[in-house]
Amino acid sequence: GQNIDQPTEMTATEGAIVQINCTYQTSGFNGLFWYQQHAGEAPTFLSYNVLDGLEEKGRFSSFLSRSKGYSYLLLKELQMKDSASYLCAVLDSWGKFQFGAGTQVVVTP
Amino acid sequence: EAQVTQNPRYLITVTGKKLTVTCSQNMNHEYMSWYRQDPGLGLRQIYYSMNVEVTDKGDVPEGYKVSRKEKRNFPLILESPSPNQTSLYFCASSLNRLAGSAQYFGPGTRLTVT
Repeated sequence: GQNIDQPTEMTATEGAIVQINCTYQTSGFNGLFWYQQHAGEAPTFLSYNVLDGLEEKGRFSSFLSRSKGYSYLLLKELQMKDSASYLCAVLDSWGKFQFGAGTQVVVTP
Repeated sequence: EAQVTQNPRYLITVTGKKLTVTCSQNMNHEYMSWYRQDPGLGLRQIYYSMNVEVTDKGDVPEGYKVSRKEKRNFPLILESPSPNQTSLYFCASSLNRLAGSAQYFGPGTRLTVT
């Protein structure tokens, strides 16, 4: 089985950096994904990691340590439109996904 | 336009009345999945399908059925809905089940069972 933990809420100021941590336990790991979900909308894909290390995509970066069962999503130069829920998801070896409960990021002026 | 569509978007029904939520994708994706989203619980996978005629249970399959007769369609069937199935449902698809294959989500179906 899998268990995924991420903080419930984080608040940061416009222009700042926020790091959202995600820890997981899985019996077979095949990749970790980050999604963004604005209120009332469907989740949209942000990034994925399958090997250890940092993946950078513009203002967003994601890091993975498989040995520690740990990932983080880094949001730089925060903008008001980044206020959303950020979902960590693990794909196991059998094709099954499990999502964390999501981290609500609130960006203040 | 590449997309995942779901119908209906909103549905209010009564306990025990069978219903089907349709899901269709036009991206020739092999992998399709259904989720429900409830406050504080996040997205939970109900069923997934890695290809035509292949379906597997997710974490919360009880009370639901699916079928995958064609690659593009993956309907979710509630044979006898109950109030605890009131939720927001999302269908998603991805190229395949391999790492790096991002899921694309449909717009969601808000179901209320009274």
